[in-house]
Amino acid sequence: DTAVSQTPKYLVTQMGNDKSIKCEQNLGHDTMYWYKQDSKKFLKIMFSYNNKELIINETVPNRFSPKSPDKAHLNLHINSLELGDSAVYFCASSQPTGTNTEAFFGQGTRLTVV
Amino acid sequence: KNEVEQSPQNLTAQEGEFITINCSYSVGISALHWLQQHPGGGIVSLFMLSSGKKKHGRLIATINIQEKHSSLHITASHPRDSAVYICAVMEYGNKLVFGAGTILRVKS
Repeated sequence: DTAVSQTPKYLVTQMGNDKSIKCEQNLGHDTMYWYKQDSKKFLKIMFSYNNKELIINETVPNRFSPKSPDKAHLNLHINSLELGDSAVYFCASSQPTGTNTEAFFGQGTRLTVV
Repeated sequence: KNEVEQSPQNLTAQEGEFITINCSYSVGISALHWLQQHPGGGIVSLFMLSSGKKKHGRLIATINIQEKHSSLHITASHPRDSAVYICAVMEYGNKLVFGAGTILRVKS
């Protein structure tokens, strides 16, 4: 069983469309994240949720809206897609235990906006 | 300046060589991760460290909290080790901040 799974793996869409990427983790973790990896392969945090509550919201356009229906799911909805949104988006989860916070990543969703 | 700096950015090695990738950070952290990303894109966590040293097979990771520095070593490198290696620090508040990655190519 995949620990953190994202769907779809690839997404090609036109500018202006609205799309969603889904993420599910079966690890029982309380914290989930969305990261964006740009064309230079640099990873940057977008959002973090702990037990369905938003705890980190970096400077991301408000066209991006995370939704956490339960602590096992953190979906990313993007409105009015722009060319610059093309990137690979990674979902991850972690469970802090004292000073040990192991992180597990999904396989990534390659979004291409044309 | 990025909070997490990795060096080198690119590294080409011959099979069998000993490889070291360095990571320096400037913020207080609860843990440091070494991640591996293969050309297919998936990210795998190799190590999570909050002190000392960890070893897994041919991989060794060390961290010096006082100096805010970590190293990832690969012994007896192999072409299948070719990947991007990313250092990431877990800041207090559960925020992972990533280095830019080191592209490693091991030639046979």
